[in-house]
Amino acid sequence: EDQVTQSPEALRLQEGESSSLNCSYTVSGLRGLFWYRQDPGKGPEFLFTLYSAGEEKEKERLKATLTKKESFLHITAPKPEDSATYLCAVQAGDYKLSFGAGTTVTVRA
Amino acid sequence: EAGVVQSPRYKIIEKKQPVAFWCNPISGHNTLYWYRQNLGQGPELLIRYENEEAVDDSQLPKDRFSAERLKGVDSTLKIQPAELGDSAVYLCASSADSAKNIQYFGAGTRLSVL
Repeated sequence: EDQVTQSPEALRLQEGESSSLNCSYTVSGLRGLFWYRQDPGKGPEFLFTLYSAGEEKEKERLKATLTKKESFLHITAPKPEDSATYLCAVQAGDYKLSFGAGTTVTVRA
Repeated sequence: EAGVVQSPRYKIIEKKQPVAFWCNPISGHNTLYWYRQNLGQGPELLIRYENEEAVDDSQLPKDRFSAERLKGVDSTLKIQPAELGDSAVYLCASSADSAKNIQYFGAGTRLSVL
C-alpha cells in the first residue's frame, strides 16, 4: 500500500525566514508526485507535479525537489500570504492520488 | 473560467438522516472525483467517474453511500443513513487530461452529523 508521510505537522516562520517541508513516500512505481496548497475552508490548489528523481520546479517563492524516497518543498523568504497547509500526494497507478496529512505553515509578519 | 462548484458549503444533520452533496465540474472535464477529508488528514478518494461511468468505486461504502453523474456533467453524492463518523469535508475534483492527472478541487461541503 502506498504511504506518504509529511513532516513537520506544523511550521511557524517569521516573514523572510526560509525553510523546507518534507514528504517521504513508499510506493511501487511512482508515476508522479504532486504538491497542493490548501487554505482554510477551501479545496486543495495544484502547485507542482514531479515525475523523476532529480527534477525541480519553481513557482514564486516555492521550489519543489524530488529524490527516490522523498520530496522537499522549499519556501524562500516567505510572506504571510504563504500561510496554508501544503499537501503532498503520490500517484502509482493510472490516476489514484494518495495524500499525506499535510504540513500547516504559518508565516508571521 | 469557473472552477469546480459544490453545494451546499455546510450541512448539519442528525444521525440516521439522509444527506446529498452536489458538484458541477469545470466545463469540458470528463473525469470527476469525490473525496472525503477528515480533520487534519489529506483527502481520500471515494469514487471516480469517466463521463457517466463510475470506473472506480472500490473505496465507496456502498451500504450507505451512493453517487451518480447523469449526462456526464454534474454529480451527486448521497449518504443514507448518515452516521456520526461521516462528519468530514466532502470534496469534488475534476480533471481534463488523465495523463497529467492535475485535479482541480471545489471548496467542499463540510458535513456535521449530530
